[in-house]
Amino acid sequence: SAVISQKPSRDICQRGTSLTIQCQVDSQVTMMFWYRQQPGQSLTLIATANQGSEATYESGFVIDKFPISRPNLTFSTLTVSNMSPEDSSIYLCSSRRGGPSGETQYFGPGTRLLVL
Amino acid sequence: GDSVTQMEGPVTLSEEAFLTINCTYTATGYPSLFWYVQYPGEGLQLLLKATKADDKGSNKGFEATYRKETTSFHLEKGSVQVSDSAVYFCALSGYIPTFGRGTSLIVHP
Repeated sequence: SAVISQKPSRDICQRGTSLTIQCQVDSQVTMMFWYRQQPGQSLTLIATANQGSEATYESGFVIDKFPISRPNLTFSTLTVSNMSPEDSSIYLCSSRRGGPSGETQYFGPGTRLLVL
Repeated sequence: GDSVTQMEGPVTLSEEAFLTINCTYTATGYPSLFWYVQYPGEGLQLLLKATKADDKGSNKGFEATYRKETTSFHLEKGSVQVSDSAVYFCALSGYIPTFGRGTSLIVHP
């Protein structure tokens, strides 16, 4: 299995500010994924980040609001910009790893964000 | 497109009861199927998976069988514990994996 760590694990922020979430994977991976999970809800994919190329954003998410960096094959950051209370969510980093029985997706522990 | 449908929660059981959480899917091709568990305050953890029809995934007393004829991957456990209280997500593989909405399980002593 993959080991994925995220920092910070939680934060309380003021509206209008920005927060950068870091994601570290224990081995090189091609694709990394950023998800949002609002309270009591399922996962919503924000974007897919491949090393060396621009992130691909899902409908409803834009780069100005959620800029992503992917400087190497083990690390990515997601910034939540100009935050509002509606951005209060769990943000999850994920990567995929192949094996004899195919690929499996693994998740970090999440960053719990509360915007006041 | 691909989709996953899970039973609505919460599912509330007494300790040692039998658990079934239903999951059905629609997909093109032959995806792998997964169950993930999210304990309170934590991220998602892979619980079990099955990669082809009739495969049975199992872990920690949980089981699910990949049924192609009924496009289902129901999660079962013979005797739940309080520590199994969590949210369970069914998912299928793809370039962008597809997740169900999650089913909350609450187990009372």
